[in-house]
Amino acid sequence: AQRVTQPEKLLSVFKGAPVELKCNYSYSGSPELFWYVQYSRQRLQLLLRHISRESIKGFTADLNKGETSFHLKKPFAQEEDSAMYYCALDPSNTGKLIFGQGTTLQVKP
Amino acid sequence: SAVISQKPSRDICQRGTSLTIQCQVDSQVTMMFWYRQQPGQSLTLIATANQGSEATYESGFVIDKFPISRPNLTFSTLTVSNMSPEDSSIYLCSVEIGTGYGYTFGSGTRLTVV
Repeated sequence: AQRVTQPEKLLSVFKGAPVELKCNYSYSGSPELFWYVQYSRQRLQLLLRHISRESIKGFTADLNKGETSFHLKKPFAQEEDSAMYYCALDPSNTGKLIFGQGTTLQVKP
Repeated sequence: SAVISQKPSRDICQRGTSLTIQCQVDSQVTMMFWYRQQPGQSLTLIATANQGSEATYESGFVIDKFPISRPNLTFSTLTVSNMSPEDSSIYLCSVEIGTGYGYTFGSGTRLTVV
């Protein structure tokens, strides 16, 4: 079955510390993967897509097909990074996204 | 990239009634997607709406409960019918930003059924 797993409901770090939000997926084909972020009282926003290999707001994510993972990383967390982060899989590039349960990132001063 | 306007932003409804949620996009899009986010849960796809054809529903969702209209390439509605408290959720629509660029979401409709 196609599935996205984010094992941590809450990740709490201090400002300036490195951050890694974990995402594992289950899909037999070539995955399209995304990271979405939702800041307090704002709509869900696209943060990263794996195919672009870009860095947004200092975040990067590398697709590891061997480990079926797409972890989101940032070397130095900022307080404004505090938000809910969702990993999402688009099987077969259909637009029918499968979301993980989300991880709340809390960056403490 | 496409901008979505969704309304209402929130509503409190009596059980047994229906609510229609509107999603307006500022550009023409082929497919529109409707999601539900139950309290404390992640997003789950309800259905895909193509202009000029019947919506395609995901497992666990049926047309009688969630009828969808797609009259043109910039607009869609989702109706939550015969509501019960279990329908209390955030409902969101989504469209593709651009081919291969990912998907953008509306601000959501927070529905509370009492």
